[in-house]
Amino acid sequence: KAGVTQTPRYLIKTRGQQVTLSCSPISGHRSVSWYQQTPGQGLQFLFEYFSETQRNKGNFPGRFSGRQFSNSRSEMNVSTLELGDSALYLCASTGSLSNTEAFFGQGTRLTVV
Amino acid sequence: GENVEQHPSTLSVQEGDSAVIKCTYSDSASNYFPWYKQELGKGPQLIIDIRSNVGEKKDQRIAVTLNKTAKHFSLHITETQPEDSAVYFCAAPDSWGKLQFGAGTQVVVTP
Repeated sequence: KAGVTQTPRYLIKTRGQQVTLSCSPISGHRSVSWYQQTPGQGLQFLFEYFSETQRNKGNFPGRFSGRQFSNSRSEMNVSTLELGDSALYLCASTGSLSNTEAFFGQGTRLTVV
Repeated sequence: GENVEQHPSTLSVQEGDSAVIKCTYSDSASNYFPWYKQELGKGPQLIIDIRSNVGEKKDQRIAVTLNKTAKHFSLHITETQPEDSAVYFCAAPDSWGKLQFGAGTQVVVTP
């Protein structure tokens, strides 16, 4: 069974630009969550999608958005990039909504210059 | 909401010794407690988890214990090896079922 696939692995963007990251969950998993990981802040929850609907949202500005497609693949978008958005963005897939194992992808390392 | 605290933030052990990482949580309704290992340049990997109906779970050299009364759970690694060097995260679900993570523990195993 293939794991969680995130693309691209690395990305360098300029301040003010926008970026789109992609996550393909484990086959059969319908829930995708996104996290931002920075050295000082640890793993911060961005949002969760289940069956194409945003179910939960963390405490991030509106520049961070996401969506999920009918095949459960998810994308997150960050507009008007700031230097502080430099981080490792991780997505995790789970089979159902309640308290089951979450499996992470390798992450996308975003650097904003 | 759920608040997860993890200690210590760094842990240096000699190869062959044991390592223990402790986490506390605030939501008494939480019933699932996973541990993740993150190696450099990789995403977190689920290594062991425990549900609230048991007090201890073992998988080879790693074990997790849970004390629901005190609202804390711990990861134990015995006979540590250099490949155990990584950052370890504990987590517990909030009322929505979303995992809230501890701040992480950098484990360094020295030969």
